[in-house]
Amino acid sequence: DAGITQSPRHKVTETGTPVTLRCHQTENHRYMYWYRQDPGHGLRLIHYSYGVKDTDKGEVSDGYSVSRSKTEDFLLTLESATSSQTSVYFCAISEGGPTGELFFGEGSRLTVL
Amino acid sequence: GESVGLHLPTLSVQEGDNSIINCAYSNSASDYFIWYKQESGKGPQFIIDIRSNMDKRQGQRVTVLLNKTVKHLSLQIAATQPGDSAVYFCAEGANTGNQFYFGTGTSLTVIP
Repeated sequence: DAGITQSPRHKVTETGTPVTLRCHQTENHRYMYWYRQDPGHGLRLIHYSYGVKDTDKGEVSDGYSVSRSKTEDFLLTLESATSSQTSVYFCAISEGGPTGELFFGEGSRLTVL
Repeated sequence: GESVGLHLPTLSVQEGDNSIINCAYSNSASDYFIWYKQESGKGPQFIIDIRSNMDKRQGQRVTVLLNKTVKHLSLQIAATQPGDSAVYFCAEGANTGNQFYFGTGTSLTVIP
């Protein structure tokens, strides 16, 4: 299994509070991604990183920010959580980007009340 | 955005039979494809991949077929087992892009 750890695995929070999800990898892969998975939508890209301090937006980036200060860590922050951000969030890593193997973490289930 | 879809949302097969799961994609520039298996409460698990310069690739009990003419991808599982019950979905990526695109998945149920 790819060395990807997500934390927390489960979180319940209230609308308007900040939330940070962490993804940690031990594979030294260049690319890291944050996806959300919702029924009927499949996996949708929030943000991705192609190197330390190099990040870009995905298709559903509104309301989210990311940071990558070290190769192994990619943080996803919801500055002010909303109920529409209730979802399961997956981190993924890839050495080769969109033409390389992509491996996922176990997911972080976030509930915003 | 890209369109990656699956023909059937659910599939039930008898244990020991072969399973075929299909996927259609719309981006002619896509040159890399992955099949994932996702069990309830877990992250997607990489099964097998194929590049556009290939038509077929085999793994352990799984085969992926790629038909670039009609932009169709399929996953064949031989001798399906109860442990194969899960949601399967495909992903596509391209050198010209910066992200993968995913289908919503097919739920496979293996009947003992």
